[in-house]
This record gives sequence, structure tokens and C-alpha cells, in this order.
Amino acid sequence: DTGVSQNPRHKITKRGQNVTFRCDPISEHNRLYWYRQTLGQGPEFLTYFQNEAQLEKSRLLSDRFSAERPKGSFSTLEIQRTEQGDSAMYLCASSLASIYNYGYTFGSGTRLTVV
Amino acid sequence: DQQVKQNSPSLSVQEGRISILNCDYTNSMFDYFLWYKKYPAEGPTFLISISSIKDKNEDGRFTVFLNKSAKHLSLHIVPSQPGDSAVYFCAATPIVNRDDKIIFGKGTRLHILP
Repeated sequence: DTGVSQNPRHKITKRGQNVTFRCDPISEHNRLYWYRQTLGQGPEFLTYFQNEAQLEKSRLLSDRFSAERPKGSFSTLEIQRTEQGDSAMYLCASSLASIYNYGYTFGSGTRLTVV
Repeated sequence: DQQVKQNSPSLSVQEGRISILNCDYTNSMFDYFLWYKKYPAEGPTFLISISSIKDKNEDGRFTVFLNKSAKHLSLHIVPSQPGDSAVYFCAATPIVNRDDKIIFGKGTRLHILP
């Protein structure tokens, strides 16, 4: 197992375009989290899944954002009609049912630049 | 509202000396605390954690101290090494919620000087 994998690593898009990011978690992890990190800030929670069920969404996740985790394996995060304020590092993390002792395992992130 | 606060954006420490990174929190429901380390162009990696039933947890060169009454925790790195230069995030979660949603501070950039 190579850890949490995120694709693409970098994405440059024009304002108004749609983008989709993919996250492949560690295979035995049933929880999957999406975070966003902007310059000078810590990671901010966006949403999380337990298996295929999306259990919580942050108020940061506007209607233009949608996340899915079909079959409880990989997850996708789509941003429609991108805005310059969406430019950030999007981080995916996964964990077992309990984070105690090891926390989350993060991927390397997808850096989105909206021009 | 910033529930986890790291008031020092950066810290410089001589190699071989002790690095002390501080963190304060406001939410009294937090009872599990974590430190993550982040290198440029990589995701954060888990470093060490502590439950609220303890006041100290040690793992090699890293020790986390928790003062629950002051809502304060600190990470000590002894001795500091060049590879410790990174951004360190303090984080917390309320166990009672069972969702393990972790709330992060803004981070402290640690520079280890030769």
C-alpha cells in the first residue's frame, strides 16, 4: 500500500471552468476526509465520508462543490464554475474507524490555481 | 473563530537545542490533541498525539505536554535537527462526536539553524 494518493498534483484552470480531483485512500481505511489549505492557514475541514456515506459538510463547501465516494473506495471532489477564491491546496486524508494513536494519513494534495 | 491557536507564525532554533512549539485551544470539548509536521509540496504527516487523560506523551525526541486547565499544549523537540525544519500544526478533536473531525491551527514554521 502506497498511502493516500491524490490526482492531479497540480491543476491550473480558467475562472468559470469545472474541475474534478480524485483521492485514493489507504485500502483498509473506511473514513475519508477532504480539507482545504490556503496560504498561511492550517487545513480546514470540508467534508467526510464513512464508507460511501457523506456524513458531514462544512459551511465552506458551497453549492458549487460536490464530493462523492462511490462504493466506499476512491473519492472525487468537483468544483463547478471555479472562482479565484477557490485557489488552494485540496488535501484528502483517510483513517480507520478510530484515529487514536495515528491520526489521519494525508495525501500530498492537489494544488488548484484559478486564473 | 479560531478554536486552535498557534500564535507564533515562525520560530528559529539552533541545531542541537530544544524547540518548543506552543498551542492554545478554546473549545472545552476537545479531548484528543495531535501534532502534524508538513514539508513543502507534501501533505501533513502525523507526529504525536495526546489524550486529555494524560499530561505528557513522549516519542523519541518528541514530547507533547498538555495543561488542560490552561487549555494549552506544547511540543518539545530535543535535540533539534536540520530535518526538523518544517511547518508544525497543532490539532484537536472532540472524541465525543465520534466523527474524528480534526480542527487545525494555522501552523508554526520551525527553522533549525546550523
